[in-house]
Amino acid sequence: AQKITQTQPGMFVQEKEAVTLDCTYDTSDQSYGLFWYKQPSSGEMIFLIYQGSYDEQNATEGRYSLNFQKARKSANLVISASQLGDSAMYFCAMREGQGDSSYKLIFGSGTRLLVRP
Amino acid sequence: DSGVTQTPKHLITATGQRVTLRCSPRSGDLSVYWYQQSLDQGLQFLIQYYNGEERAKGNILERFSAQQFPDLHSELNLSSLELGDSALYFCASSVGDYLSYEQYFGPGTRLTVT
Repeated sequence: AQKITQTQPGMFVQEKEAVTLDCTYDTSDQSYGLFWYKQPSSGEMIFLIYQGSYDEQNATEGRYSLNFQKARKSANLVISASQLGDSAMYFCAMREGQGDSSYKLIFGSGTRLLVRP
Repeated sequence: DSGVTQTPKHLITATGQRVTLRCSPRSGDLSVYWYQQSLDQGLQFLIQYYNGEERAKGNILERFSAQQFPDLHSELNLSSLELGDSALYFCASSVGDYLSYEQYFGPGTRLTVT
């Protein structure tokens, strides 16, 4: 079974509107972390936001917020006021395991977002 | 510019060969992570080092090995290369030793195996 599922291979959004990128995960761990990364066409990977499984509040970083619904095992990324520069590939990732050598970081297949002017 | 440097930027080599990819973390970062991004496998975490010691292992093949040196730079060695090893290899660094710390990625090394 896939551990991280991003069901939207591609999405469009109008400039200045908000957009939600979906991410669901599967783990039996009590302690885990969820990440979102952005990969523009230039190829570099940019860390956007992190949510720990014990964090009670949704993480926010500027225009990015993570809508964390633990019971539903979802960690959707919300981008407010989309900008043309937000056009990129977005990856959801999960860290499983505790702070020992058994932990892993697993990535979803990504969602390509295109912001229309 | 993330502050993480990777060399070389591009590498073309033949099957069966061995290559070494190099990464210098941001100043002050103790952790180095290696990732592989390919069309068929997607983005995969390979291995993490923290202050010279292996910290976590992901989907790293036995033909691959890595190390982190006392000056904190890291090298990823890929041997007996196969066509399927063609990918973009990223290095990232962070201050701490857990993946909860923000990671800064280098520009990547694109490896082409012919």
